Amino acid sequence: ETGVTQTPRHLVMGMTNKKSLKCEQHLGHNAMYWYKQSAKKPLELMFVYNFKEQTENNSVPSRFSPECPNSSHLFLHLHTLQPEDSALYLCASSQGQTPNEQFFGPGTRLTVL
Amino acid sequence: AQSVAQPEDQVNVAEGNPLTVKCTYSVSGNPYLFWYVQYPNRGLQFLLKYITGDNLVKGSYGFEAEFNKSQTSFHLKKPSALVSDSALYFCAVRPLYGNNRLAFGKGNQVVVIP
Repeated sequence: ETGVTQTPRHLVMGMTNKKSLKCEQHLGHNAMYWYKQSAKKPLELMFVYNFKEQTENNSVPSRFSPECPNSSHLFLHLHTLQPEDSALYLCASSQGQTPNEQFFGPGTRLTVL
Repeated sequence: AQSVAQPEDQVNVAEGNPLTVKCTYSVSGNPYLFWYVQYPNRGLQFLLKYITGDNLVKGSYGFEAEFNKSQTSFHLKKPSALVSDSALYFCAVRPLYGNNRLAFGKGNQVVVIP
């Protein structure tokens, strides 16, 4: 498998559920990112990891909890979400943080009921 | 903080006509600038970037973009649009020095009419 993969592709959850999103990159990159994409709004950067260490947390609510066990894997743990958290969650990776381009996964479409 | 404006929600163009997608940016100091494209049910794909040097940057699929420092713009262009170019296009910027945060615009939906 090549590039950046994300699972699941679609997720429907209730507000009391706990779920996790998974991202894996097969590009040998050392930086990984979580973004939130909502319709007609700019992509919102959520978290940045560089060499497994979190370097950015863009004031994300604590109901989103990232985990980066190694440079190839990134998780986003979800609990007690709100309906307004429904969005497309994109994972990306890059070799270093700048100015190299980021490579994106296909995203997880999350619906919170 | 850096930001990007993509003023048009949707750009309609006839197949074979020139395509332009507008982007203006705000950043402290010199910028790194990027264009990405997103097809339905896919993640963003890199098209091209400006770091330094020639103001005209050529990228994938026949796209190019022109960096204009005085107008703080980085418009994306293609001489002859294809129906397959119909997608969502994002402009992004980050400063040459300072924070590493890449700021994206809200995207422009391009519709190429056969």
